[in-house]
Amino acid sequence: QVQLVESGGGVVQPGRSLRLSCAASGFTFSSYGMHWVRQAPGKGLEWVAVISYDGSNKYYADSVKGRFTISRDNSKNTLYLQMNSLRAEDTAVYYCAKDWVAWGQGTLVTVSS
Amino acid sequence: QSVLTQPPSASGTPGQRVTISCSGSSSNIGSNYVYWYQQLPGTAPKLLIYRNNQRPSGVPDRFSGSKSGTSASLAISGLRSEDEADYYCAAWDDSLRGVFGTGTKVTVL
Repeated sequence: QVQLVESGGGVVQPGRSLRLSCAASGFTFSSYGMHWVRQAPGKGLEWVAVISYDGSNKYYADSVKGRFTISRDNSKNTLYLQMNSLRAEDTAVYYCAKDWVAWGQGTLVTVSS
Repeated sequence: QSVLTQPPSASGTPGQRVTISCSGSSSNIGSNYVYWYQQLPGTAPKLLIYRNNQRPSGVPDRFSGSKSGTSASLAISGLRSEDEADYYCAAWDDSLRGVFGTGTKVTVL
């Protein structure tokens, strides 16, 4: 069965960086586009970024463009989200998702001084 | 920010039918598939409907999806107490971004 496990969340000061990882198993990782989606406390879902199956195409939400970078290592079945210049408004649970279909349990990122 | 508009709340008594709307535009719902998710408190979203009206295995047939033009709907028939949750629609937008609905909280009276 499809399993997605996010890691790398934590508390970070504004302006600092953090890298999230999403370990995938139970499917052919290299065949699927992957998304990052976030949810601020008490708020709705917000799409963050997507990467194509081979990493050749990447698209971002305006709110993170230029600060976040999505990447993948198909040899390790792992998706990444490099988050730079973090702001308080980036505080959220970050989910990785296989296509639009399967989601991980999320990892909490808190940006606070 | 959310581009797809949903009613903030919906409610019904056990056994009733509840419908949730999702309004978008020609660049998202009008030209791409719609997905529906259920989110119970403190948990990750769970896929209910994919490709407008397809149900993953394990999702009860009480849940159904439809799409017409730039709008989509999720119907829950035979409402049960365990259906009390937040529901979101989602779609790809031709401007090369994903978009989610504003979310609907379903209450079972």
